[in-house]
Amino acid sequence: AQKITQTQPGMFVQEKEAVTLDCTYDTSDQSYGLFWYKQPSSGEMIFLIYQGSYDEQNATEGRYSLNFQKARKSANLVISASQLGDSAMYFCAMRGLNTGNQFYFGTGTSLTVIP
Amino acid sequence: EAGVAQSPRYKIIEKRQSVAFWCNPISGHATLYWYQQILGQGPKLLIQFQNNGVVDDSQLPKDRFSAERLKGVDSTLKIQPAKLEDSAVYLCASSRLQGRNEQFFGPGTRLTVL
Repeated sequence: AQKITQTQPGMFVQEKEAVTLDCTYDTSDQSYGLFWYKQPSSGEMIFLIYQGSYDEQNATEGRYSLNFQKARKSANLVISASQLGDSAMYFCAMRGLNTGNQFYFGTGTSLTVIP
Repeated sequence: EAGVAQSPRYKIIEKRQSVAFWCNPISGHATLYWYQQILGQGPKLLIQFQNNGVVDDSQLPKDRFSAERLKGVDSTLKIQPAKLEDSAVYLCASSRLQGRNEQFFGPGTRLTVL
């Protein structure tokens, strides 16, 4: 069975500092994709970054990077130079390519950026 | 390109009433998802369509929830009869069939059951 675990219900970070949001996963698929989404208080889900299970390089998208450790089954999101607008819920998700492309989301981490 | 459209944005009903939500995915996206997001929780997949076929509906409470995707484009999600615990945001998302398949989400429908 597929499972995504986010163990940090809430995180605080000082503005301009970096922060790491943890995500571990469990899957029987050999081929899968990992995603991070941001959900501000307005409610929309915004795609941030993607990592494929066979990608050798860690994914980066602007201030977002994904620290992918396949052996540990972890896919942590690193946000550099935090901004006040980064305050939101962050969800880690996984898609198993051999299990019908179903998506599974974690329970989320609430990030608050302190001025 | 236009994003995922959902309507209505808000709905308030009494328990035991019925309600329907509509979703129009991004043009060309073969896969469509309906999620239920209860306050403070992550989205829970209710049903996933690929074109007009169901890929996964294992978490859909089929005694009261139904969904269809006619012609592989628009989709409707219905609840009949609604219960208090159905109060949630219902999110629709779509993705391409190929590539990294990231999901693009609509604004959601906030349902309150009184």
